[in-house]
Order: sequence, then structure tokens, then C-alpha cells
Amino acid sequence: GQQLNQSPQSMFIQEGEDVSMNCTSSSIFNTWLWYKQDPGEGPVLLIALYKAGELTSNGRLTAQFGITRKDSFLNISASIPSDVGIYFCAGPPPGTASKLTFGTGTRLQVTL
Amino acid sequence: NAGVTQTPKFQVLKTGQSMTLQCAQDMNHEYMSWYRQDPGMGLRLIHYSVGAGITDQGEVPNGYNVSRSTTEDFPLRLLSAAPSQTSVYFCASKGYQETQYFGPGTRLLVL
Repeated sequence: GQQLNQSPQSMFIQEGEDVSMNCTSSSIFNTWLWYKQDPGEGPVLLIALYKAGELTSNGRLTAQFGITRKDSFLNISASIPSDVGIYFCAGPPPGTASKLTFGTGTRLQVTL
Repeated sequence: NAGVTQTPKFQVLKTGQSMTLQCAQDMNHEYMSWYRQDPGMGLRLIHYSVGAGITDQGEVPNGYNVSRSTTEDFPLRLLSAAPSQTSVYFCASKGYQETQYFGPGTRLLVL
């Protein structure tokens, strides 16, 4: 089935640092979604992207829809301890309106 | 609004036992879905429903049944539990926009 590859798998950063992660697909996506999952909770939508090249921000988070439509990027600026969690990219595969495929996740841990 | 609720939060089953994971939403969403989350594999779609009376298979449907008799409820049934079904199960619902709202999850251990 469809697979979304995320990198890095995990990262340790110091508080205040900027974070970058990405998600790649073997096929074109028309929508890219970024979710965050806190420990013991369900995923929560952070940013939705609908157009190739689109750059969207949500507070300290910025995400981009890749020009090729096969990738997306998420940046977090000035990380804080509450940024800890797992970040997932997701999107509906081509030809499906509502079914979501999720990436394998990037686990972020922040040290003081 | 309570959003998406799931019960139970934790469950331990023996191989071969059956059980139903409950999911309810109070947002009048037509679309509901079930995912399982295993370490290192993200979330995988089990079954989904685009409205009452309509269900369809996702990526990993084997061993699971669903029904959708009302807009609010979307239970997931394990007819004969297997250790491979040990996982965390999430229910989600979606309105007309892309945002899927996830429940808090059910942690299932099959011995």
C-alpha cells in the first residue's frame, strides 16, 4: 500500500533550537496534513496544506507543500518542552477523498 | 461537546475471546474511521464509514468487523482476538473539511 516516509525517525534537541522534519511519498498527494501526538493521546491536526508550493504557519510551526507534490516539510522554531511528542504527516492517497495514510512519525524530545 | 469518545481505555483479552471497542462522536460527522497504531508503523486504517449504513475496508481489515447503525456510533468488533491484534486503537471522525478528530485511544493486549 501507500507509504509515507518521515525523517528523522527521532531527534533530541535543546530548548530554543529550531527543528526541521520532512515527509516523502512515492506518489503525488493533493493534500498534506501534519499531526502531533502527545503521549497517551490521539493525534491532533497542526497544519493542513492544499496547494503545491504552499507555505502555512501556525504559531511557531511552519509547513510547506513540496513543489513536486511528493513531499512536505515541517519546521518548529524556538522549541519548548511542550513540543515533545510524535509528529506525523498524513494525506489522502490519490483517488481517495477521506481515507488517510499516515507516515511513520518523527519523535521529538526536547532537553532543557 | 465531548468530541470523540472511546471505551474502554484499556483491555486485556485472551486469544480467541471476542470484544467490541466503542466509539461515539457528538459533532454530527458523517465520516468515521478506525485506526490501529503499532510501534514504528504510524497509524493504519482498519475500516471506515462515510455515513450511517455504509462501511468499507481500509488497509488492515482482517480480523475486524464494523457496523454503522447511527451517525454517532461506530463500534469495532474483534470476533476472535489474536496476539497480533495487540495495539492501540484510535477512532476518528471528520466533517466536510479535512480535519479528523481523534479519540483518546483504546490500549488492547491479547495474551
